[in-house]
Amino acid sequence: GAGVSQTPSNKVTEKGKYVELRCDPISGHTALYWYRQSLGQGPEFLIYFQGTGAADDSGLPNDRFFAVRPEGSVSTLKIQRTERGDSAVYLCASSLAGARETQYFGPGTRLLVL
Amino acid sequence: RKEVEQDPGPFNVPEGATVAFNCTYSNSASQSFFWYRQDCRKEPKLLMSVYSSGNEDGRFTAQLNRASQYISLLIRDSKLSDSATYLCVVNAHTGGFKTIFGAGTRLFVKA
Repeated sequence: GAGVSQTPSNKVTEKGKYVELRCDPISGHTALYWYRQSLGQGPEFLIYFQGTGAADDSGLPNDRFFAVRPEGSVSTLKIQRTERGDSAVYLCASSLAGARETQYFGPGTRLLVL
Repeated sequence: RKEVEQDPGPFNVPEGATVAFNCTYSNSASQSFFWYRQDCRKEPKLLMSVYSSGNEDGRFTAQLNRASQYISLLIRDSKLSDSATYLCVVNAHTGGFKTIFGAGTRLFVKA
């Protein structure tokens, strides 16, 4: 079956602009996660959804970052007033039910803020 | 101190070698543990879950020591295709929920 998909695969934007990154989880997976990965580092947890609600958003670095999952499937990560330090690969993952289960990752969106 | 710490390597080993990776975690409330593999410019993929009783999958063996808050991965008879970054992953439930990745250990297996 289809895996986790993310769009766009690459995004180049200018400092100060707004961007939206989309994640389509595996069908039927209720849990969805967003991570950010910088070069040479492991993925950094941002937010975890269980269904439509954010079960833990403690990893969001500041109020410029926001994520939604209105129907419990597709999720959008929104970044306002982008900064050069936001440049990274943004990874989305989903799991069948909850936090203890295997997470399946999408290919990521490479964001470059100029 | 980082919540999950790994030796960054790189480990350079010949084909057929046995190599061991270690990982320590700081949150005693951590509840589930995994090793993921990440190839260059690709997404992480699950290698194996880690249990207190230890578990083995072919050439790979993972161990968890809760008392020492330590996780290990052993790879026997290394193959060229094992070259990748190995990520130690810990799920902690502390109020909310968090998945914490280590920075990864790079492995290069050479012919």
